[in-house]
Amino acid sequence: EPEVTQTPSHQVTQMGQEVILRCVPISNHLYFYWYRQILGQKVEFLVSFYNNEISEKSEIFDDQFSVERPDGSNFTLKIRSTKLEDSAMYFCAARGDSYNEQFFGPGTRLTVL
Amino acid sequence: KNEVEQSPQNLTAQEGEFITINCSYSVGISALHWLQQHPGGGIVSLFMLSSGKKKHGRLIATINIQEKHSSLHITASHPRDSAVYICAARRDASKLTFGTGTRLQVTL
Repeated sequence: EPEVTQTPSHQVTQMGQEVILRCVPISNHLYFYWYRQILGQKVEFLVSFYNNEISEKSEIFDDQFSVERPDGSNFTLKIRSTKLEDSAMYFCAARGDSYNEQFFGPGTRLTVL
Repeated sequence: KNEVEQSPQNLTAQEGEFITINCSYSVGISALHWLQQHPGGGIVSLFMLSSGKKKHGRLIATINIQEKHSSLHITASHPRDSAVYICAARRDASKLTFGTGTRLQVTL
């Protein structure tokens, strides 16, 4: 069964460095999401993406964050200058038409030192 | 106040017990999702509900739209059911708003 994949599974970086988290959604899915979960806290919405543009973003998703789908398959989340508080598990999710369930990737654990 | 509240936060049960996890939400929704998160962190979708009841194996999910309440039941619980169970509300055809999760531990 097709599934959402994410790379890397774990990323360790120094504060101030740029990181790019990658997601490969299921091929016929149209809506894409990034969520994050700080250790011990609930999952939080970051951004949704449809038709090659951001459809909604949370207040967490500030100017340090960006998303793109450069080649029609990979969906990336970039953090330009990481902060300690960016350390979290980042989940990509995707779904088909408007009222289908979302399928989650396995997550990327980002550790900022 | 959180838009999605779950109870209990932690639950310990013995193998074979019937388990109920509750979820209340404060806004109108288009769908309510139940998700399972394993210790490694991965999230698996269990159910998506907009009305009534759904069953998959030993798992049953119900929703009462008027009362803004949903329950997840596990029959004949097993240690492999140990995980964090999360409800998440979807208000429109868009993002999910997550509850804080219920950590379930099933012992032999």
